[in-house]
Amino acid sequence: QVQLQESGPGLVRPSQTLSLTCTVSGDSVSSGSYYWSWIRQHPGKGLDWIGYIYYSGTTYYNPSLKSRLTISLDTSKNQFSLKLSSVTAADTAMYYCTRVSAVRGIINSWGQGTLVTVSS
Amino acid sequence: QSALTQPASVSGSPGQSITISCTGTSSDVGGHNLVSWYQQHPGTAPKLIIYDVTYRPSGVSNRFSGSKSGNTASLTVSGLQAGDEADYYCSSYTNSRTLVVFGGGTKLTVL
Repeated sequence: QVQLQESGPGLVRPSQTLSLTCTVSGDSVSSGSYYWSWIRQHPGKGLDWIGYIYYSGTTYYNPSLKSRLTISLDTSKNQFSLKLSSVTAADTAMYYCTRVSAVRGIINSWGQGTLVTVSS
Repeated sequence: QSALTQPASVSGSPGQSITISCTGTSSDVGGHNLVSWYQQHPGTAPKLIIYDVTYRPSGVSNRFSGSKSGNTASLTVSGLQAGDEADYYCSSYTNSRTLVVFGGGTKLTVL
């Protein structure tokens, strides 16, 4: 059974870079059947699609975040990562890493989520 | 503003049935039988309860069912129980590179 686990600092200073890593077990990030994605949820709000990466390196970034966002893959560690630069309080949210079926868009595996607070 | 439109809230009494709608366009909900529904209890990650419009993952109660007509998908919860009180999100595969679009979520209250 696949498991995803987010890791990274829970507190980031404004204007700094938010960095999170998702460690995958029970599946390979090199699988061509899935996209590996990040979703965030602001407190009390709905789900926001951040972006995804495919084993080939293909990425998609939410246009509203594109200028600040990098999603990368580390196949040797079976991990994928998110870097969001120049953060503000508006980036305070719960961040989830997920596995998404490549041709059906089914998010069938979620990490437990990690709360990131942007504050000085 | 979310790509898919859901009611903000619905409510029902124990034992009753409720339906949550999810309206999109021909580029997403209407164009594919690839609508999913997720249940999220407070403080937990969302959980897949319906995929491909009507299918339930193993272990999901058959009290949850999905359907679709045109650009609108629906989730029905029958025999409401206290534990069904949660937020529910729809999503759909979309033709664009976005891959997936979400609804804004619906809070289900069991009275």
